[in-house]
Amino acid sequence: QVQLVQSGAEVKKPGASVKVSCKASGYTFTGYYINWVRQAPGQGLEWLGWINPNSGGTKYAQKFQGWVTMTRNTSISTAYMELSRLRSDDTAVYYCARDNEGADYWGQGTLVTVSS
Amino acid sequence: QSVLTQPPSASGTPGQRVTISCSGSSSNIGSNLVYWYHQLPGTAPKLLIYKNNQRPSGVPDRFSGSKSGTLGSLAISGLRSEDEADYYCAAWDDSLSGVVFGGGTKLTVL
Repeated sequence: QVQLVQSGAEVKKPGASVKVSCKASGYTFTGYYINWVRQAPGQGLEWLGWINPNSGGTKYAQKFQGWVTMTRNTSISTAYMELSRLRSDDTAVYYCARDNEGADYWGQGTLVTVSS
Repeated sequence: QSVLTQPPSASGTPGQRVTISCSGSSSNIGSNLVYWYHQLPGTAPKLLIYKNNQRPSGVPDRFSGSKSGTLGSLAISGLRSEDEADYYCAAWDDSLSGVVFGGGTKLTVL
């Protein structure tokens, strides 16, 4: 069965970077884009961008251009999202989700807390 | 403020039909497909409707989607207690060149 398993919770200081991983299983990793979406506490969903695991090509939301980087390692079917220059308002749950005519499978989410 | 506008809350009694709206513009809903997700507290969102009105396998036919102009709608018929969740609409936005979400609607089953 399709599964996306994300790395564990992180606590970071302002100005630091965080890298979240998303390991895919149960399907051909290179066959579907991976979206990254975040949700601040008590807030709605916000799209960060996507990566094409086949080519490595990326598309970032305008807001995150210059401070988000999405990569992948096809040998271990894992996608990564790195956010730099963290601020307190980057505290959120970060999700990866497979793109298949909508985000049809989601990871369990990774809580990133930014606090001094 | 979200690019797509949803009512913050909606409610209904068991068995009723409830509709949730998602208002956008010509650069998003007006020219692209609408998607709907629902989210139970503490869990990841789940795809409910794709391509305006298509249901993924496993989603009951009590859930239906539609689009007219720059307005998307999600209808839930035969409301059940387990439908109590947050509902989000999403679409591609040509001006922003990215995916935009609505702010979410909290559905309460009375």
